[in-house]
Amino acid sequence: EAGVAQSPRYKIIEKRQSVAFWCNPISGHATLYWYQQILGQGPKLLIQFQNNGVVDDSQLPKDRFSAERLKGVDSTLKIQPAKLEDSAVYLCASSLGSPIYGYTFGSGTRLTVV
Amino acid sequence: DQQVKQNSPSLSVQEGRISILNCDYTNSMFDYFLWYKKYPAEGPTFLISISSIKDKNEDGRFTVFLNKSAKHLSLHIVPSQPGDSAVYFCAGGSQGNLIFGKGTKLSVKP
Repeated sequence: EAGVAQSPRYKIIEKRQSVAFWCNPISGHATLYWYQQILGQGPKLLIQFQNNGVVDDSQLPKDRFSAERLKGVDSTLKIQPAKLEDSAVYLCASSLGSPIYGYTFGSGTRLTVV
Repeated sequence: DQQVKQNSPSLSVQEGRISILNCDYTNSMFDYFLWYKKYPAEGPTFLISISSIKDKNEDGRFTVFLNKSAKHLSLHIVPSQPGDSAVYFCAGGSQGNLIFGKGTKLSVKP
């Protein structure tokens, strides 16, 4: 099966600019996650979708971050305006059933804010 | 507040020997634990998991042990191979949300 697709792979922007990331999960996977991984840290959950509804967005900085999942398939994560501390790898993941069976991550988008 | 801690940033092991990666947690509400492996420029790859009601799970060369009273789990890789060189993340989960440790970089030397 095809994996989780993410684009772009790399992005460099200036602070206060906006940026958007795209994710296409594995076909049929109802649950989609966006994680932020800062250098030297483990991934941190930003938002979890079940189909096109939000399950958990408690750690999403809603003043600047937004995410949507149209028709319960693709998802976009947007940052506006970006800050220097947003420099990180943004990982998208999807799962079919119980998370104990693991979920599949994409390769991520590396964002550098200068 | 780190709910999942991997206190060893790195570990070096000789090929063919056992690799033991350790993880401690503080959240008693975790229902399951997972280990992920990550190569540079790739996303994490699921390796093995264990339910909080079990104390051991084995899959080929990989075994995860859970000690609930000590709030500690470990991943054993036997025998270690050079291709196992990667960053290993421990994660605790409940209701789909995974909380990850900072990772341990494993180097397996030929």
